[in-house]
This record gives sequence, C-alpha cells and structure tokens, in this order.
Amino acid sequence: SQQGEEDPQALSIQEGENATMNCSYKTSINNLQWYRQNSGRGLVHLILIRSNEREKHSGRLRVTLDTSKKSSSLLITASRAADTASYFCATGLVEYGNKLVFGAGTILRVKS
Amino acid sequence: NAGVTQTPKFQVLKTGQSMTLQCAQDMNHNSMYWYRQDPGMGLRLIYYSASEGTTDKGEVPNGYNVSRLNKREFSLRLESAAPSQTSVYFCASRTGTGGGYTFGSGTRLTVV
Repeated sequence: SQQGEEDPQALSIQEGENATMNCSYKTSINNLQWYRQNSGRGLVHLILIRSNEREKHSGRLRVTLDTSKKSSSLLITASRAADTASYFCATGLVEYGNKLVFGAGTILRVKS
Repeated sequence: NAGVTQTPKFQVLKTGQSMTLQCAQDMNHNSMYWYRQDPGMGLRLIYYSASEGTTDKGEVPNGYNVSRLNKREFSLRLESAAPSQTSVYFCASRTGTGGGYTFGSGTRLTVV
C-alpha cells in the first residue's frame, strides 16, 4: 500500500498564483522528498527534508514537515506555466532501509 | 551527459514473450532501483540493488527478475510477459541510502 498520499489529486491555478500540495504518511520516516514529473518524462528530484527539519527552501519552493501530524506540504510561489506537471512526495522509511515509497501524486496545471 | 539511461523507450510484447529492460548510470552510484508506474498508483518498487553484487525484492517483484551486472548496469527481465505488466518502467539510482534519486526517462511497455 502507498505510504504517502497527496492532496489534492489535481490542482488548477492561474499563472502568478501560489500552489500548495500536501502529503500525509503513516509510519516513521528518515526523510521526505518531493519530485516533479513532466508528461511522458522521468521524475526529477526537487527537494529533500530530513525528519529533524521543519522547513526548507529552494528557489520558489518551500517544503514544511510536521512529524507529529505525519504530513508535509510543498508550496510553489509565483507559479509559471512551466510548473505544469505531476508532483510526488516520497518517504524514506525507517523500517524499509530508507528506500523511497511514492504517493500517487498531485497533477498541477498552471494556466497562462 | 551524466545520468540514467534506459533502453528501449517503447516496446510492445505479445503475452508469453520475454524481454530485458536495460538501465545504466554513469554517476558512480551504489544503489539502483526499478519501479513501475501505473495510472493513479504512483510508483511501486519492483526490485532494488543496494550495491554491486546484491539484489532484493521490492513491493511487486512477481513476474520479474533482475541482474546487477556491474556497478553501472541494472537490468530487469520479464520471463513471460502478461497484460498486467503493461506499465511504464523507471530505473533510478543514488549514491548512498539517504539522498535523492536520479531517474531515467522510462520504458513504456505494452503487453497484448
């Protein structure tokens, strides 16, 4: 079964708006990662946040992690049409040798 | 260019046929992974290799075999293809056990 579950399943916004995607998970993690997948392409690693961290930034990306609620969020600020893609959270599980377990993803569409 | 290379990109098989999906990375990564991606289900781990000479089953190993030929190459074999194996297959690698994955561009397999 999937460890991470993203919410919403799909999101449509206007260019320039912020996009927020959420991820919930079930068991203890070493880290949580976010990936982007453009249509028909492989996944691209965006950002990694460790279990002892609460927030990380990378360019227009901001990731938060709340281990007490077993949840994470990915915020993309000032979105662009090029941000249109599927976004996946992946959890590195303590009992799974830190291999990644992926959620089903959020489809983001940014309209220009 | 550095990265993960998968071949072929597309393949159509008849039920019962066999084939091998090839994956090679030139980043000197220790760990390599095979995932399958089905609509609405995210990525599921088939097999992985934590280091050269070792392989282990993931979440959905039935119907597949793997070979870690050397540090660079990790192949996935379907001995007798079934329609349920119609999917997009991704190979990934990373240097250790705690970082992000680098993905290949995928193999789109259809079994008829």
